[in-house]
This record gives sequence, structure tokens and C-alpha cells, in this order.
Amino acid sequence: DTGVSQNPRHKITKRGQNVTFRCDPISEHNRLYWYRQTLGQGPEFLTYFQNEAQLEKSRLLSDRFSAERPKGSFSTLEIQRTEQGDSAMYLCASSSPGRQGKLFFGSGTQLSVL
Amino acid sequence: AQSVTQPDIHITVSEGASLELRCNYSYGATPYLFWYVQSPGQGLQLLLKYFSGDTLVQGIKGFEAEFKRSQSSFNLRKPSVHWSDAAEYFCAVGEGQAGTALIFGKGTTLSVSS
Repeated sequence: DTGVSQNPRHKITKRGQNVTFRCDPISEHNRLYWYRQTLGQGPEFLTYFQNEAQLEKSRLLSDRFSAERPKGSFSTLEIQRTEQGDSAMYLCASSSPGRQGKLFFGSGTQLSVL
Repeated sequence: AQSVTQPDIHITVSEGASLELRCNYSYGATPYLFWYVQSPGQGLQLLLKYFSGDTLVQGIKGFEAEFKRSQSSFNLRKPSVHWSDAAEYFCAVGEGQAGTALIFGKGTTLSVSS
């Protein structure tokens, strides 16, 4: 169990640019989640995959955000035309079947949009 | 809509003293409730969870929480705090398919004084 891995750890970009983050979950976990956390706030749910299927997506999620998990293993989160309000820590988590709520979180990708 | 309220933004406790962190939730049915801890530079870690049954649940690191339906609360307690407990604590409630998407509170920062 090597834990949930996220890359990069930090990303600085200019407004209007596209960015992509990667998450490698724990290998036997079939569920994968993306959350966003800003300073002084708790993590905010973005989207959830079971295997390669994206089963839930937050109604608050802008259409500039897209996530994929093509082979049911790693996942990518892309933000198009970034805005300063996108600056946040993007967290990935994974869990195994039957372990509802026991999410294993990665250390996150800190995005700064200038 | 489901929501979680953590009334205390910051709490300071003396080492060895008891601790109680408050959490109130809003949810129409029987909730799935969780407490997570986030230490500086580390990912969120599950402390304990409540799905059903015994309303007093035990977790890791000596923490426990009590579910009180009548008060819509799920307070976290520890009888004797250690300096290593200093961290940010998040209460969360499950929603979506079988409680998959967690809704987090804004968190309580715990400081431990010697």
C-alpha cells in the first residue's frame, strides 16, 4: 500500500491557461474522488468514479472542469481557461468496495492562478 | 441539502486535558457521519465513522464520537489530549449514492498548549 499519489505537488499558471493534474489511487481501490479545498474551508466534492465510470459530479462544478479515469486506474483532472478563483488545493482520494466513507486522501496539488 | 456546521473555528486545549469538538449536521434521513483529521503537510485521515447501531463510536488515536439524533450532532471527544493531536479536524456527512460523496464542515483547528 503505497498510498494515493498526486502530481504535481504545486502548479503555478497564468489566467486563461489549461492545467492537468494526475492522481494514482491505491492499486486495489475501485473508487476515486476529486475534492477541492480552499483556505479556511473543508474539502468540497467535485466528482467521483467507480472504475472508469464517472458516477457523480457536483452541480457546482463549472464546465471548464473535466475528469477522466480511462482504464479505471489513474485519473486526470483538467481545468480549462483557468481563473484566479480556481486557486485551491485539489485533493484526490480513493476507497475500496465495502469501505464506505473510508477515503484515503493524497497530499493534494496546490494550484495558484496568477 | 445536506450541510455540516462546525461552530468552533479554533480551540486551544492544555496537554492532558479533555477535548470536545462540536459538529452539527443537516440531513433528512439517517446520515453517514465521519470525522477526519488533517495534519500539516499530510493528507486527510479518517478518525472514525458512524453508519448505524451503537451511537458511541470508537476511532483511532483514542478518539470517540457520539451520534445524537435529537440534537443533530456528532461531537468528537478525547479524554486526554497529546501535543501530537494538534491538527485540523473535519466533520463530514455522506450523501449521494450510498453515501459516496462526503460533505465536509469548515473544520476546527486544534492547538495544544504545554
